[in-house]
Amino acid sequence: DGGITQSPKYLFRKEGQNVTLSCEQNLNHDAMYWYRQDPGQGLRLIYYSQIVNDFQKGDIAEGYSVSREKKESFPLTVTSAQKNPTAFYLCASSSWWGGYNEQFFGPGTRLTVL
Amino acid sequence: KNEVEQSPQNLTAQEGEFITINCSYSVGISALHWLQQHPGGGIVSLFMLSSGKKKHGRLIATINIQEKHSSLHITASHPRDSAVYICALPDNYGQNFVFGPGTRLSVLP
Repeated sequence: DGGITQSPKYLFRKEGQNVTLSCEQNLNHDAMYWYRQDPGQGLRLIYYSQIVNDFQKGDIAEGYSVSREKKESFPLTVTSAQKNPTAFYLCASSSWWGGYNEQFFGPGTRLTVL
Repeated sequence: KNEVEQSPQNLTAQEGEFITINCSYSVGISALHWLQQHPGGGIVSLFMLSSGKKKHGRLIATINIQEKHSSLHITASHPRDSAVYICALPDNYGQNFVFGPGTRLSVLP
C-alpha cells in the first residue's frame, strides 16, 4: 500500500530536549511538507522540500530543523529553541511542489513536552 | 497573504440532514481543496476543484471563482461524517497551501 507513515503517534519529552519526528513516504513524490496544528487553528507550514537535498523555511520555522537526504524521508527535529513545542504535527507529500497539487497526509504525531 | 474564512465554526446536525459548509478567501485563485480531518487526526483530500461543481458519493463541492467562495455540501448526513472539514488554497504565489480554520461537524444518530 502506498502512503505516508509518521512515527511515533504519541511522543512525550521533557522540556529542553531535542526530539525528531519521522516521516516516510513510498508514493515517489518529490515534494514533502511539515505542518503544525494547534487547537482551533488552521495548519501552519513549518518547512517544505521541493526535491531531495533541498528544503525551505515555511511560516513558522524557528526552533525546528529538517533534512532531506532521501526522496522518501523528511524527518523534523523539534529543538529546545522552540518555545511552545506541544502540538500536533502532520507530514504531507505531493507529486511535485505547488499549491495546485493534491497533498497526501500522514496520520500525524502528537508531541507533548512536559 | 490569502486570508481564508470558514463558516460555521461548529455545526451539529441530526442524521439525514443536508449540510452546507462555506469557505471564503480574499485573493483570487484558480483551484481550491477540501480536506477532511478525522477525530484521530488523519487528513484526507476530498476534492480539488477549479470551477463549477464536483460530486463524490454524498459529497458535493462547488466553487465560484468570481465571488471567491466555495461550499461543501453533504447530503443524507451520517454519524460517520463527523469530522473537521478544512478548505485549503494556494497562497498568493501559487506555491504553498493556506488553510482555513476548519468547520467541526457532529452528526447525531
